[in-house]
Amino acid sequence: GAGVSQSPSNKVTEKGKDVELRCDPISGHTALYWYRQSLGQGLEFLIYFQGNSAPDKSGLPSDRFSAERTGGSVSTLTIQRTQQEDSAVYLCASSSTGTVGETQYFGPGTRLLVL
Amino acid sequence: GQQLNQSPQSMFIQEGEDVSMNCTSSSIFNTWLWYKQDPGEGPVLLIALYKAGELTSNGRLTAQFGITRKDSFLNISASIPSDVGIYFCAGYWNRDDKIIFGKGTRLHILP
Repeated sequence: GAGVSQSPSNKVTEKGKDVELRCDPISGHTALYWYRQSLGQGLEFLIYFQGNSAPDKSGLPSDRFSAERTGGSVSTLTIQRTQQEDSAVYLCASSSTGTVGETQYFGPGTRLLVL
Repeated sequence: GQQLNQSPQSMFIQEGEDVSMNCTSSSIFNTWLWYKQDPGEGPVLLIALYKAGELTSNGRLTAQFGITRKDSFLNISASIPSDVGIYFCAGYWNRDDKIIFGKGTRLHILP
């Protein structure tokens, strides 16, 4: 399919372990976003990649969170030393040019549970 | 920081009923967006509003950008079972801002 894909779809980990979440954006989309959706909450912006520019990391909740985007395509969100409050659905979205108002296409999300 | 208040938090309705939900912002937005999220899926954009007072329809959905620029509503007419899901409002001031999302309205349709 041509949509945004994310893996794994579900991840259960123990507190203190590191996890990596992967996002494959729509081919050709220059902008990629990571959001976090906690139970009963809206979408919390985490980080934004636009082309080859330095990412906007202003939404990352702590230094345990980091993300990379290799070759302007696939992105990996890494959470180190996971805590129970990190449990959430992590959503990735991409858009064609990064204009904020243009349609962001979301992936199905990775459901992370930290025990 | 900017905050969005979305209400109601949940709705339980009968099939065929009309639905109304709204969002208010602590500051002015230049763009309002409405998304729907089906269970197990990512959000999908329903309607985008770019001008104060704008009223836009998408099938049975109608959304309006409030005159004050601080609010927006979404109406769904003649609800059907596939309308079940979480509806998010979102907005931003200018193209350099990040989109801010409301906490969502969970729509349930009673059998």
